[in-house]
Amino acid sequence: AQTVTQSQPEMSVQEAETVTLSCTYDTSESDYYLFWYKQPPSRQMILVIRQEAYKQQNATENRFSVNFQKAAKSFSLKISDSQLGDAAMYFCAYRSASSVLTSGSRLTFGEGTQLTVNP
Amino acid sequence: EAQVTQNPRYLITVTGKKLTVTCSQNMNHEYMSWYRQDPGLGLRQIYYSMNVEVTDKGDVPEGYKVSRKEKRNFPLILESPSPNQTSLYFCASSRDRGNSPLHFGNGTRLTVT
Repeated sequence: AQTVTQSQPEMSVQEAETVTLSCTYDTSESDYYLFWYKQPPSRQMILVIRQEAYKQQNATENRFSVNFQKAAKSFSLKISDSQLGDAAMYFCAYRSASSVLTSGSRLTFGEGTQLTVNP
Repeated sequence: EAQVTQNPRYLITVTGKKLTVTCSQNMNHEYMSWYRQDPGLGLRQIYYSMNVEVTDKGDVPEGYKVSRKEKRNFPLILESPSPNQTSLYFCASSRDRGNSPLHFGNGTRLTVT
């Protein structure tokens, strides 16, 4: 079974600075998808960024980018120019791309990292 | 507006009293699922559905039931709730099993006393 680990329960960053949230995962599969979700105090789950494992190029969405290291099974999220609105719980998630009907049905989440942005 | 509607937002109940949390999506998504979120554990899948009348267990299905009689609706049923089911619950849907993102409902905070 796949597992996702976020080793930083809490992180903090100064406004306008850069912060990196770490995520590692364990899988025997070669094809899969990785996601970062953000959960602000409103508790809404918001997709931040996604990465297909077959793509070598790291995904980027405005101030958010990932460092995808497939061999190391690492998928860190970098937030540049941090803003107060970035304060939230961040979850890393894994989804199999297996053609087997049930294997691709589950999104496996990490424990979450609570990010505080200091003004 | 494309959305997943989940009700109620808050629910307090007593042990053993059957309850249903409703979930509806208006995006014609085939795939729907339920997760529970607990501190330090992230989100864990309870049940999922690949299409109408097709459901299967996730990682933590004990004590829960689901049904998928219509494509848009996927209710979560707790026949006899217990205090260990106190949690934050999310319904989610997606177009397919691939890299399509999950669209989440706004969550249901359930407390079982």
